[in-house]
Amino acid sequence: GQQLNQSPQSMFIQEGEDVSMNCTSSSIFNTWLWYKQDPGEGPVLLIALYKAGELTSNGRLTAQFGTTRKDSFLNISASIPSDVGIYFCAGQLRYNQGGKLIFGQGTELSVKP
Amino acid sequence: EAGVTQFPSHSVIEKGQTVTLRCDPISGHDNLYWYRRVMGKEIKFLLHFVKESKQDESGMPNNRFLAERTGGTYSTLKVQPAELEDSGVYFCASTRTGVKTQYFGPGTRLLVL
Repeated sequence: GQQLNQSPQSMFIQEGEDVSMNCTSSSIFNTWLWYKQDPGEGPVLLIALYKAGELTSNGRLTAQFGTTRKDSFLNISASIPSDVGIYFCAGQLRYNQGGKLIFGQGTELSVKP
Repeated sequence: EAGVTQFPSHSVIEKGQTVTLRCDPISGHDNLYWYRRVMGKEIKFLLHFVKESKQDESGMPNNRFLAERTGGTYSTLKVQPAELEDSGVYFCASTRTGVKTQYFGPGTRLLVL
């Protein structure tokens, strides 16, 4: 089945550092989404991307939809302790109108104060 | 507006027992999705309801899993009999028709011993 390869799997950074994570796929996606999961909670949508090449920001977060529609990255600038959690990329396939999401394996972020 | 709710938050059962998970979507959301995350891997799609109808159940692992959404409101996911490999976090998500953003519940953490 379709797979998203998300990297890195985990990151340990110092507060104030910038973070970058990415997802790649062999399939073409119509939509790329970035979610964050806090401990004991469900994933919460951070950024949604709908057009190839689209670059979108949400506060300290910036995400881009790759021009080939097969990749996306998420950057977090000036990290703070509350950025700790698991970040997931997710995509909706071009041909799938039902809207099911294909997720990456997640990037677990730890921020040291 | 209340978010997606799931019950129970945690369940610990023995192999061979039956467990039923419940999801209450956001009011007015016709689309309801079940996903599962097993052992730190990616979040995987299980199935998709549109109102009371199963739109896509391609992700259901086997016939030990039965999902229902009678009346098109809340949904249940029953596992019978449970096996060790069914352990994981089961998420429910909902969205309005025509809207791409899926809102996730907090998940049910299932442990099969």
